[in-house]
Amino acid sequence: DTEVTQTPKHLVMGMTNKKSLKCEQHMGHRAMYWYKQKAKKPPELMFVYSYEKLSINESVPSRFSPECPNSSLLNLHLHALQPEDSALYLCASSPLVYNEQFFGPGTRLTVL
Amino acid sequence: KQEVTQIPAALSVPEGENLVLNCSFTDSAIYNLQWFRQDPGKGLTSLLLIQSSQREQTSGRLNASLDKSSGRSTLYIAASQPGDSATYLCALNAGKSTFGDGTTLTVKP
Repeated sequence: DTEVTQTPKHLVMGMTNKKSLKCEQHMGHRAMYWYKQKAKKPPELMFVYSYEKLSINESVPSRFSPECPNSSLLNLHLHALQPEDSALYLCASSPLVYNEQFFGPGTRLTVL
Repeated sequence: KQEVTQIPAALSVPEGENLVLNCSFTDSAIYNLQWFRQDPGKGLTSLLLIQSSQREQTSGRLNASLDKSSGRSTLYIAASQPGDSATYLCALNAGKSTFGDGTTLTVKP
């Protein structure tokens, strides 16, 4: 298996909802990443996990809560989001931190 | 703070043309540089990775170069095809990943 998968593909949520995004890879990579991408903008790094431990948090609001329960799985828990949080959320993995990164297809999030 | 600039922002060429995309960066203390393509609404596809100690990498019709002294990387696409139409992004990895804004390429049949 040489790909990064993300579920769901699309998500619509209200500002009071709690939802989670899921990312999975079975390439044995020990680094995983969350990025946020707004329309016509480049991806912005949110979080980096190395060996299941959070190594970088780019000053992301606490309404975004990452979790890495094992080396293959990365979650992003969402709570009390704002409409401006609507974006494409991309997950990536790499063998080690800042090796070649492989991206998933993304989750298109809309916050109403 | 690392700043990454990609020029041009958009490029339209006829099929078959060779073309060069540019990526400039301000901090040469990097681990590596990676080129991606992104189709509309999709994830990023890795094209080439150049390690800090390397000068170029080739994959098929693609060739990427890296000149840290001048803070520049180029992506050369030979014999362009309509299927090459996409946004091309460069990313500098230096403790954190920083992306350029991308070049949107249109190859006309």
